[in-house]
Amino acid sequence: DSGVTQTPKHLITATGQRVTLRCSPRSGDLSVYWYQQSLDQGLQFLIQYYNGEERAKGNILERFSAQQFPDLHSELNLSSLELGDSALYFCASSWGLSNEQYFGPGTRLTVT
Amino acid sequence: AQTVTQSQPEMSVQEAETVTLSCTYDTSENNYYLFWYKQPPSRQMILVIRQEAYKQQNATENRFSVNFQKAAKSFSLKISDSQLGDTAMYFCAFTDNAGNMLTFGGGTRLMVKP
Repeated sequence: DSGVTQTPKHLITATGQRVTLRCSPRSGDLSVYWYQQSLDQGLQFLIQYYNGEERAKGNILERFSAQQFPDLHSELNLSSLELGDSALYFCASSWGLSNEQYFGPGTRLTVT
Repeated sequence: AQTVTQSQPEMSVQEAETVTLSCTYDTSENNYYLFWYKQPPSRQMILVIRQEAYKQQNATENRFSVNFQKAAKSFSLKISDSQLGDTAMYFCAFTDNAGNMLTFGGGTRLMVKP
């Protein structure tokens, strides 16, 4: 158990809908990262937050947004969902700006 | 931009034997970190081992060790005394010195056979 929690574990929704994925980092970790793992794109970085502030953006679509709250949990919002958004979404956390990232169990999103 | 390449999509090894997974990367940075992550069928991403680029000594964690060749930009993972529980996807990953994103290779699927 990495200490990073993600909810829900599975999510099935229809095209055009909006969903929210939630992540709680390890106790004491200030950085939260979101990654998407799909069959054709592999593991891709989406976005990073550090202590409530957005720190880096990767290949995140405009339909996607995220935030980190004062208690350091983070939410990833996916809207106007398309079939191609079906993937495993991981949250990872690290202490400060250290380089070891610990991953949550992921949320499997299926868009039908 | 950094890139990470794993040239072996699939590998297999007999239980108790040793196997080496390859990884190469490209960067213009001098200080950086390299990792191997394991993803078993449960899909959980598990950190296996890490290597700091400024350290010449290769990292070791129990049965797992790396061969880090900075000049060649090579970072291979050796698994000794392979166990059935080592069956998984293995990802090589790179990050810079500033706590930024991980860049992953495409993965190597390892099957340990009894």
